[in-house]
Amino acid sequence: DQQVKQNSPSLSVQEGRISILNCDYTNSMFDYFLWYKKYPAEGPTFLISISSIKDKNEDGRFTVFLNKSAKHLSLHIVPSQPGDSAVYFCAASARNDKIIFGKGTRLHILP
Amino acid sequence: DTAVSQTPKYLVTQMGNDKSIKCEQNLGHDTMYWYKQDSKKFLKIMFSYNNKELIINETVPNRFSPKSPDKAHLNLHINSLELGDSAVYFCASSHRSGMGKNIQYFGAGTRLSVL
Repeated sequence: DQQVKQNSPSLSVQEGRISILNCDYTNSMFDYFLWYKKYPAEGPTFLISISSIKDKNEDGRFTVFLNKSAKHLSLHIVPSQPGDSAVYFCAASARNDKIIFGKGTRLHILP
Repeated sequence: DTAVSQTPKYLVTQMGNDKSIKCEQNLGHDTMYWYKQDSKKFLKIMFSYNNKELIINETVPNRFSPKSPDKAHLNLHINSLELGDSAVYFCASSHRSGMGKNIQYFGAGTRLSVL
């Protein structure tokens, strides 16, 4: 039973354009959401997070939007750069419980 | 200056063998984790230790035994390895509370291949 779903296995975006990665969740008890980025042969690295009391969090080129009523969050990267090519994992947790990860979306930034 | 380091990076072994994977973190975190990433790419938690105490134990075969000698180390021992144990195993660490809780820092992974 996937509580965190990333329905797009891959996404290709032109360099300089906006990349939008989507994530849906089913558990209404989740109160903290995270995005991780993973390069091949490396572990996931934390990118940005958002608490359920907010609907937007921004950090440089990265912005995460949370729509609680739709149980949906998205990660916007603008402008996209070649180094952004990686697998992005959406993750969620409920009240300090374990973190549940999505399956990941592979982002390709095209020159 | 690696924050979370795990060894070995690659492990190839025969079915039925016993093997261990070691993990160490130098971030001063009080909680450590083991995750398994299977062929379907799902990253699933197996165990979590807080201050050497087991706090999360998912439905994992008892052939898998974590051991935490201190806050900075969490090792994973696997007995009687099976083909289905082939996966990438990630160690991670975090603070249990306060600023930065829930933000986990991962090691580079150990790719286990059981033949």
